[in-house]
Amino acid sequence: DQQVKQNSPSLSVQEGRISILNCDYTNSMFDYFLWYKKYPAEGPTFLISISSIKDKNEDGRFTVFLNKSAKHLSLHIVPSQPGDSAVYFCAASVRSGGGADGLTFGKGTHLIIQP
Amino acid sequence: GAGVSQSPSNKVTEKGKDVELRCDPISGHTALYWYRQSLGQGLEFLIYFQGNSAPDKSGLPSDRFSAERTGGSVSTLTIQRTQQEDSAVYLCASRLGPDSSYEQYFGPGTRLTVT
Repeated sequence: DQQVKQNSPSLSVQEGRISILNCDYTNSMFDYFLWYKKYPAEGPTFLISISSIKDKNEDGRFTVFLNKSAKHLSLHIVPSQPGDSAVYFCAASVRSGGGADGLTFGKGTHLIIQP
Repeated sequence: GAGVSQSPSNKVTEKGKDVELRCDPISGHTALYWYRQSLGQGLEFLIYFQGNSAPDKSGLPSDRFSAERTGGSVSTLTIQRTQQEDSAVYLCASRLGPDSSYEQYFGPGTRLTVT
């Protein structure tokens, strides 16, 4: 049973436009969410995160939105750049004993930025 | 400073052999995590260390998998009697500590191929 779902395996966006990556979760105990970016043959790189007490977090071109009632979060990248082409993973965590739990990841969305 | 390092970067082994995978976390990070990513899948949590102890081994897929951490630093993941379904990229991540921010920092991974 997948607790974190990224239903789009791939997404193609034109350079300069907005990229929107979606993520849904089923476990209502999740209270911290993260996005990671992964290039081939490299480990995932932390991008941006959001706590369940917020509904938006912004960092430069990246904004994450959280809709707790819908158990849905999204990552917006604007404007999209060629270097943004990568696989993006959504991850979630449960706070317990200081949040030591391993992260639960989605299967990833391959974002392709077209020139 | 240096990031998380893993060795070897690639490992090809015959079915039935034992393998050891090594992880060097970021200096000063007390929390260490192992994940694996099978083809087309997201990252699957395996085990978590806080210092040298492993309070959460829930993700280890079978008793052929074990891990240890010594000196609060280097960790080794051992897979005994490898099977073809063990083929995956094994990723290690570290985090400052249980009371720090939730972001985990990943190494480049070890690609294990069992023939």
